[in-house]
Amino acid sequence: GDSVTQMEGPVTLSEEAFLTINCTYTATGYPSLFWYVQYPGEGLQLLLKATKADDKGSNKGFEATYRKETTSFHLEKGSVQVSDSAVYFCALSSLIQGAQKLVFGQGTRLTINP
Amino acid sequence: NAGVTQTPKFQVLKTGQSMTLQCAQDMNHEYMSWYRQDPGMGLRLIHYSVGAGITDQGEVPNGYNVSRSTTEDFPLRLLSAAPSQTSVYFCASSYDEGSSYEQYFGPGTRLTVT
Repeated sequence: GDSVTQMEGPVTLSEEAFLTINCTYTATGYPSLFWYVQYPGEGLQLLLKATKADDKGSNKGFEATYRKETTSFHLEKGSVQVSDSAVYFCALSSLIQGAQKLVFGQGTRLTINP
Repeated sequence: NAGVTQTPKFQVLKTGQSMTLQCAQDMNHEYMSWYRQDPGMGLRLIHYSVGAGITDQGEVPNGYNVSRSTTEDFPLRLLSAAPSQTSVYFCASSYDEGSSYEQYFGPGTRLTVT
């Protein structure tokens, strides 16, 4: 079945460092790809998405490009802030029997130190 | 516009007790789903609904029941709680079944079964 694999956490960086969180996927068909973020004590919220190959999603300084040839959707940010500390989930969405199914990676906890 | 709301925020149950986790959305979304979040495992789909009167099983449905009598509400029932059901539960909704559409998440219910 479809699956998503994220880099193991936790990840700890200093403020203004460059961030990469790796995400690869296995899927039949042509899924949409998402990054969701979960701040402490809250539910998940969409950070960015891409719906087809070579699309780049971006939001709040974060970017990810849908790479069909490497089945990847790595999350990057050029200069992280303390407020970026959160858990980040990579996910794919596909239509299965007419219904949308989101499949999540295990999540990567990111801590940014001042 | 409250989005997706969940009650209660926290719950402690004894093994064998039953309870209902409430979920409501005010966005007129047709698609709703329940996930559980466990450490190191991301989110896993329990049940979902593509509209009032229509529900189906997700990846981990055993021990849970759902019904969807209105567009707004999608309660999750634990029939006989077990320690393995200790988890954080998230309800989500989406306004379309298409795979590219964002799911909106509630704040979660943290359940402990002793």
